[in-house]
Amino acid sequence: NAGVTQTPKFQVLKTGQSMTLQCAQDMNHEYMSWYRQDPGMGLRLIHYSVGAGITDQGEVPNGYNVSRSTTEDFPLRLLSAAPSQTSVYFCASSYSGRGASYEQYFGPGTRLTVT
Amino acid sequence: GENVEQHPSTLSVQEGDSAVIKCTYSDSASNYFPWYKQELGKGPQLIIDIRSNVGEKKDQRIAVTLNKTAKHFSLHITETQPEDSAVYFCASCSNDYKLSFGAGTTVTVRA
Repeated sequence: NAGVTQTPKFQVLKTGQSMTLQCAQDMNHEYMSWYRQDPGMGLRLIHYSVGAGITDQGEVPNGYNVSRSTTEDFPLRLLSAAPSQTSVYFCASSYSGRGASYEQYFGPGTRLTVT
Repeated sequence: GENVEQHPSTLSVQEGDSAVIKCTYSDSASNYFPWYKQELGKGPQLIIDIRSNVGEKKDQRIAVTLNKTAKHFSLHITETQPEDSAVYFCASCSNDYKLSFGAGTTVTVRA
C-alpha cells in the first residue's frame, strides 16, 4: 500500500490564484481530513469527510473548499490564494468514519507559499 | 471549541535521561488523547494513545498518563535515544470527528 499520498510537494502561488491540493489513500479508509501546520500553532483542522459525498468544516475552513466524490480522493481547493494561506498542508485518513477518535495516517505534506 | 495547551515548547535532554511533555485540555467531554511524533520533513505519526477510561498506558519506553479530574495528560519517554529527537504533538478529541492539537514540543536528545 502507498498509504496517503499528496501532490504537489511544493507550490508557489501568487495572491489571487487558485489551485487544488491532491490527496489520495489506498487503504479504503472512511474518514479523511485536511490540516494546516503553522509554526507555534500545531495542526489545525480545515475540513473533514466521514465518507464519499459527505464533508464538513473544521476549525479554519474559510478560503478552502473540499469534495469527496470517491472513497480514495479528497482534494482541497484554494479559491483565491492569500499570503495568510502560506503553510504546510497535511492530509490524513482513518479507517473509521469516527476518524478523530482513532489513529490517523498522515501524508507527507504540501508546502505552499503565497506571494 | 476544545483548547489544548502543551508545555514545554522545546526540550533538550541528555541521551539516556527521561523526557516529559505535559498537555492540558478544556472540554470535560474529551475522551481520546493521542500523541504524534513528527520527524523533519515528514507527516506526524501516532506513537501512543489513551482513552478516558484508562489512567495510564505504556509501550516499551513510552508511557502516557491521564488525569481526567485535572484535565491534563502527559507523555513520558525513558532512556532517550538520538532517534527520539523530533517534534511531539498531543491532541484531544471531544467528539468523533474533530481532533484538536497542541502547539508541539521540539525534543532534542544530546549524545
